Amino acid sequence: QSALTQPASVSGSPGQSITISCTGTSSDVGGYKYVSWYQQHPGKAPKLMIYDVSDRPSGVSNRFSGSKSGNTASLTISGLQAEDEADYYCSSYTTSSPLRVFGGGTKLTVL
Amino acid sequence: EVQLVESGGGLVQPGGSLRLSCAVSGFTFSSYGMYWVRQAPGKGLVWVSRINGDGSSTGYADSVKGRFTISRDNAKNTLYLQMNSLRAEDTAVYYCARIGLPHTFDIWGQGTMVTVSS
Repeated sequence: QSALTQPASVSGSPGQSITISCTGTSSDVGGYKYVSWYQQHPGKAPKLMIYDVSDRPSGVSNRFSGSKSGNTASLTISGLQAEDEADYYCSSYTTSSPLRVFGGGTKLTVL
Repeated sequence: EVQLVESGGGLVQPGGSLRLSCAVSGFTFSSYGMYWVRQAPGKGLVWVSRINGDGSSTGYADSVKGRFTISRDNAKNTLYLQMNSLRAEDTAVYYCARIGLPHTFDIWGQGTMVTVSS
């Protein structure tokens, strides 16, 4: 069982917006601004999409945005495109070892 | 270019050993903590082990504690994972990842596959 809870799957049509949630506790998501999101296409390594809750690394489309409320963080993808179809994982800093935890992953299907 | 390149994976029998390596380039290796993260076929990301920049602090998932050892050679810009007493459930793609930004897995290797089977 993963430390952070994500929905197993979400879907949307091209052009629409979707949101993926990531629920933790006050010891991880709720306690720090160090939530990150990763995109993983089949057979590929994870790619950082959002860090520190809402910051985007250079080169990541501004269609990707992050937010947090209490113990739940969210990733929103606007203007869905076919290439957004992938697995998405959240991660958070936590006070106890291993100091960082993952969510179980969410499979995004673009219809 | 910042790069992490894993090697050392392969097929091994239960009870066997493997040593994974992660060669890094493009940044000052000793300034960053590093993780090994694995992904079993069709499953999610799971942390395996972590080490700080100078190697003085390490951590292990309960599932590998006492069997796996993480280490680093900052002079050779290389991270290692010595895996002993391997089990079928250790079968996974193993990724090395850098902790930067400063609390994020900001750079990932391409992964190396470990298969434990007789």
